[in-house]
Amino acid sequence: NAGVTQTPKFRILKIGQSMTLQCTQDMNHNYMYWYRQDPGMGLKLIYYSVGAGITDKGEVPNGYNVSRSTTEDFPLRLELAAPSQTSVYFCASSYRDRGTDTQYFGPGTRLTVL
Amino acid sequence: KNQVEQSPQSLIILEGKNCTLQCNYTVSPFSNLRWYKQDTGRGPVSLTIMTFSENTKSNGRYTATLDADTKQSSLHITASQLSDSASYICVVSPSYGGATNKLIFGTGTLLAVQP
Repeated sequence: NAGVTQTPKFRILKIGQSMTLQCTQDMNHNYMYWYRQDPGMGLKLIYYSVGAGITDKGEVPNGYNVSRSTTEDFPLRLELAAPSQTSVYFCASSYRDRGTDTQYFGPGTRLTVL
Repeated sequence: KNQVEQSPQSLIILEGKNCTLQCNYTVSPFSNLRWYKQDTGRGPVSLTIMTFSENTKSNGRYTATLDADTKQSSLHITASQLSDSASYICVVSPSYGGATNKLIFGTGTLLAVQP
């Protein structure tokens, strides 16, 4: 299994541009998540999904959108990039099992907005 | 406010030595506590998961302990190797949250193992 894959690895955007961060998992996990990691801070949950067609906001959803049309894919959309969205973005997935599910993380996308 | 605090922020040790990383949390009630290892430029990888009723959990040279009364956890690394150089993140899962898994992440301890 490839696990959780993310593309691109790096991206530089200009203010106001839009882009989609791709995330795919091949473990048939129900749950998928998007986090951002800022320097010196703990990971913050942006959006999550408990299954295809179901998404919900996390702690810091403003400026982002998601969709979950299949079990495997969970793209994150930035519509109007702002410097505050400069961060490292991690996608994760888990198969909920009695509440102690392990989250498996992708390698991350480093985004810079100038 | 639910918080997870880790100490020290950074640590340098010599290869072969042991070390202990600390995690204090104020999350209550909580379901489980996790330790993750994050190599530079990579995503976090799970090391251990302990429920509130467990006191210790091992994964090879990594041993995590949990004291739910004092709300403290530690991660002990035995006979450190150069490959242990990474950030170690303590994560607490509240017992509320419905069907979600709203984890609360610490900021991590950056460990450098030197030859």
